[in-house]
Amino acid sequence: EAEVAQSPRYKITEKSQAVAFWCDPISGHATLYWYRQILGQGPELLVQFQDESVVDDSQLPKDRFSAERLKGVDSTLKIQPAELGDSAMYLCASSLGTPPGELFFGEGSRLTVL
Amino acid sequence: DAKTTQPPSMDCAEGRAANLPCNHSTISGNEYVYWYRQIHSQGPQYIIHGLKNNETNEMASLIITEDRKSSTLILPHATLRDTAVYYCIVRPPFGNEKLTFGTGTRLTIIP
Repeated sequence: EAEVAQSPRYKITEKSQAVAFWCDPISGHATLYWYRQILGQGPELLVQFQDESVVDDSQLPKDRFSAERLKGVDSTLKIQPAELGDSAMYLCASSLGTPPGELFFGEGSRLTVL
Repeated sequence: DAKTTQPPSMDCAEGRAANLPCNHSTISGNEYVYWYRQIHSQGPQYIIHGLKNNETNEMASLIITEDRKSSTLILPHATLRDTAVYYCIVRPPFGNEKLTFGTGTRLTIIP
């Protein structure tokens, strides 16, 4: 069964350092989402791509976060500089982009900022 | 703003049916009800979705009230592997709409 691949699975970094997460969606999925999940809360959308274009980045802290999906396939989410409050699970999801629009999530990347 | 209301936690005995309620009194006419679950340290997993008719698949059944203001997810024979946080989400079915998660219901299956 096809899966959304994410790496790294775990990342520990010191504040002010740069960190990057990678996501490879299910083949053929046009829509890609990055979510952030703080412990004890539901996932919150950071950015949504349709192919290589950003559809929604209204909740992305653009002073330190950036995301790209250059060829409309895999995607990278970067944080620079990392802050203590960025400690969270970063989840990537993809969907075909057609009804009913089921999202398939990866296992996530857990970030700890010291 | 939360569009759904769920109890924060529930327990269910192993082998019994688990019934998870969700209130969505402000649901729009074209919005579907989706259910996802998240097992500890994993990404959310799609369970089922519906508009106004009851739905059933290999994982669960979804019962939506006639006025569509509430629904119930039913796991017919709960196992320990069903212990997870369950999210009820309302969303247009246009295919590229985001999912907006609340805090969900933490379901614990008791041996």
